[in-house]
Amino acid sequence: GAVVSQHPSWVICKSGTSVKIECRSLDFQATTMFWYRQFPKQSLMLMATSNEGSKATYEQGVEKDKFLINHASLTLSTLTVTSAHPEDSSFYICSARDLGMVAGLSYEQYFGPGTRLTVT
Amino acid sequence: AQTVTQSQPEMSVQEAETVTLSCTYDTSENNYYLFWYKQPPSRQMILVIRQEAYKQQNATENRFSVNFQKAAKSFSLKISDSQLGDTAMYFCAFIFYGNKLVFGAGTILRVKS
Repeated sequence: GAVVSQHPSWVICKSGTSVKIECRSLDFQATTMFWYRQFPKQSLMLMATSNEGSKATYEQGVEKDKFLINHASLTLSTLTVTSAHPEDSSFYICSARDLGMVAGLSYEQYFGPGTRLTVT
Repeated sequence: AQTVTQSQPEMSVQEAETVTLSCTYDTSENNYYLFWYKQPPSRQMILVIRQEAYKQQNATENRFSVNFQKAAKSFSLKISDSQLGDTAMYFCAFIFYGNKLVFGAGTILRVKS
């Protein structure tokens, strides 16, 4: 149980185009999903927290107009990188918190396999 | 603000030996959770072990165990009988109620045959 999928796993796009990354919780409902960005051999950097049915909360320094997040249902959140540039190339990871977990374990996040974005 | 420090950027260990990864954290909270995550070359984040701060007993999961020292704000991970598949980047992480995971910088562990 507690599986999170991401699609696509790898995407190459041209500079100036937009790309959408999907994050799905496959066997549980997620009130909250998180989007991270990771550079090689570095830690995960939280970009935003996504709550179902409400606007995402962005971390300081993250451009909300560039990284659009939509959490339309309890099992799906999407990250759209708008007008992508080569500096947006990175590894993007989503995670989800299980709505139904008992209190003690509700802090645990389940991670998707990540999406490698390359902007040429 | 909560911070997590992993002071060992890279470590190596021989197969079948034991290795300990260090982690310290800073918080004024009393109830919180600590985690060790493993990120192998596939880059999938895998939960290795969790520790609840109100539990004094150190968590163990098969070959993985922690040494949780709440007063010292230390949370080290011991891997016994290291295997080649343990090669990965390991992240220590902290969270308290309703808040976000705070990750350390990570430690790259290489298991040598």
